Amino acid sequence: DTGVSQDPRHKITKRGQNVTFRCDPISEHNRLYWYRQTLGQGPEFLTYFQNEAQLEKSRLLSDRFSAERPKGSFSTLEIQRTEQGDSAMYLCASSAGSSYGYTFGSGTRLTVV
Amino acid sequence: DQQVKQNSPSLSVQEGRISILNCDYTNSMFDYFLWYKKYPAEGPTFLISISSIKDKNEDGRFTVFLNKSAKHLSLHIVPSQPGDSAVYFCAALGGSDMLVFGKGMKLTVNP
Repeated sequence: DTGVSQDPRHKITKRGQNVTFRCDPISEHNRLYWYRQTLGQGPEFLTYFQNEAQLEKSRLLSDRFSAERPKGSFSTLEIQRTEQGDSAMYLCASSAGSSYGYTFGSGTRLTVV
Repeated sequence: DQQVKQNSPSLSVQEGRISILNCDYTNSMFDYFLWYKKYPAEGPTFLISISSIKDKNEDGRFTVFLNKSAKHLSLHIVPSQPGDSAVYFCAALGGSDMLVFGKGMKLTVNP
């Protein structure tokens, strides 16, 4: 197992376009988390899944954001009608049922121009 | 409202000396604290943690101290090595499965 994988590593998009990111967690981990990190800030929680169920969503996750984990394995995060303020590093993490054992991926850096 | 605060954005120390990274929190519900280390272009990596029922946890060169009454924790690295140069994040958990991070502190260890 190579850890948590995120794809793509970098994405540049024009304002108003839709983007989708993918996260493949560690295979035996049933919990998957999305965080967002902007320059000079720590990671901020967006949402998390236990298996395929989305259990918690932050108020940061506006209507333009949607996350899925259809089969309890990989997850996607889609941002519709991107805005410049969406430019950030999007981090995915997984754990085996305990928050104390988060493993983060390397992130997807989104730049909206 | 920043619930986890790392008030110093950076710290520079000499190799072999002690590095002390500080973190304050405001939410009394937090009961578990973690330190993460982050290199550029990589995700955060878990370093060490401490439960609120303890006041100290040690793992090799890394020790975390917790002062619950002051809502303060600190990470001590001794001896510091150049490879420790990274951004360090303090994070907290309490009652939910959501980590709350501080803004991070950049540590530079000079050879």
